[in-house]
Amino acid sequence: EVQLLESGGGLVQPGGSLRLSCAASGFTFSSYAISWVRQAPGKGLEWVSTISGGGGSTFYADSVKGRFTISRDNSRNTLYLHMNSLRAEDTAIYYCAKMADYWGQGTLVTVSS
Amino acid sequence: QAGLTQPPSVSKGLRQTATFICTGNSNNVGDQGVAWLQQHQGHPPKLLSYRSNNRPSGISARLSASRSGNTASLTITGLQPEDEADYYCSAWDSSLSAWVFGGGTKLTVL
Repeated sequence: EVQLLESGGGLVQPGGSLRLSCAASGFTFSSYAISWVRQAPGKGLEWVSTISGGGGSTFYADSVKGRFTISRDNSRNTLYLHMNSLRAEDTAIYYCAKMADYWGQGTLVTVSS
Repeated sequence: QAGLTQPPSVSKGLRQTATFICTGNSNNVGDQGVAWLQQHQGHPPKLLSYRSNNRPSGISARLSASRSGNTASLTITGLQPEDEADYYCSAWDSSLSAWVFGGGTKLTVL
């Protein structure tokens, strides 16, 4: 059974940093691109970033480019999202997704003073 | 990044048929088709259909999807109360090198 389990969310002040993790199981992790997708309260889904299976290619939404960094450790079947210079508008549930067939439960990031 | 276009809401009666429309361009919908996702309040999205007309195992046969050019559609027949949810389309945009989403359509089953 495919499972994606996010962690690392929480309350952070504007300008702060946070690292999200996504532990994957049930499939050959290194064979697939994995993405982060977020959903602000009461809003729709917004793609954040994608990383290729080997980690050599990364893609970012304009809204996070230069502030967020996606990475993966295939030896640990884990995906990461390093978030810097956080803003109030980054407040959202962050989902790890093997687009588009498998999704984690999400982790909530709240940026507020 | 520009997204896909979906109407914000659809309302239909019990046992009726609902159709969801998703419009993009030749770099996304018209290229590799869309994935349709269902999201109930407080839950993560769930895949209903991928590459426009393939239904994963376990997804009800009441659902069908299709694509014509740059427009994709999802049809649900025999609406049930549990179908009330938000429905999103998503596609990889080969020009933007980005996943793009529609704004979502909220289905109300009357």
